[in-house]
Amino acid sequence: EIVLTQSPATLSLSPGERATLSCRASQSVSSYLAWYQQKPGQAPRLLIYDASNRATGIPARFSGSGSGTDFTLTISSLEPEDFAVYYCQQRSNWPLLTFGPGTKVDIK
Amino acid sequence: QVQLVESGGGVVQPGRSLRLSCAASGFTFSSYGMHWVRQAPGKGLEWVAVISYDGSNKYYADSVKGRFTISRDNSKNTLYLQMNSLRAEDTAVYYCAKDLWKGEQWLVRGGYFDYWGQGTLVTVSS
Repeated sequence: EIVLTQSPATLSLSPGERATLSCRASQSVSSYLAWYQQKPGQAPRLLIYDASNRATGIPARFSGSGSGTDFTLTISSLEPEDFAVYYCQQRSNWPLLTFGPGTKVDIK
Repeated sequence: QVQLVESGGGVVQPGRSLRLSCAASGFTFSSYGMHWVRQAPGKGLEWVAVISYDGSNKYYADSVKGRFTISRDNSKNTLYLQMNSLRAEDTAVYYCAKDLWKGEQWLVRGGYFDYWGQGTLVTVSS
């Protein structure tokens, strides 16, 4: 099983600041990685797939990068609605899929 | 617009069974692979199962293999999850989710979830 770890567990920032979230895989997942955003009481929302492709309707302030075992989700300038939990997910071991434990971005 | 509406959750005793349903609309259901993903209270996301667009391929997480069965009825635009021999650790919100890719592309590129339902809570407790 491919294990994903995310850091930091919590990121405390202010609106307008840049957020950098990390996801590391226990073995190479090539570029087969996605990022999701989840707000309290809501279902997750797909932000990025294949490491760097923004999903439909996702604002340009969200960007993804990386390949192999190290990936980054960057939010260039935090908006109030961006404070949420972010999960990475791999599909390299398709059809066996795994998620990371999540990073909470909260207001400083 | 795409809509996924889960139903069938509730409180069930350990060892008993439950069947979840997910009614889909706003897209060509029969063209897309579909998934179940769950989230225990206050915890992260766990993929549970996937079924191909035509129902011919089904895959499960090790934690539910042999106990859960995913199925679909394309004539009714509905996805199902039959859950047997339920355990306390199966307590979670269960989401159905649509795969990003359709048809034959799903076989090669599948495994991302672009639309999710609102979830249905399953509580396994005596």
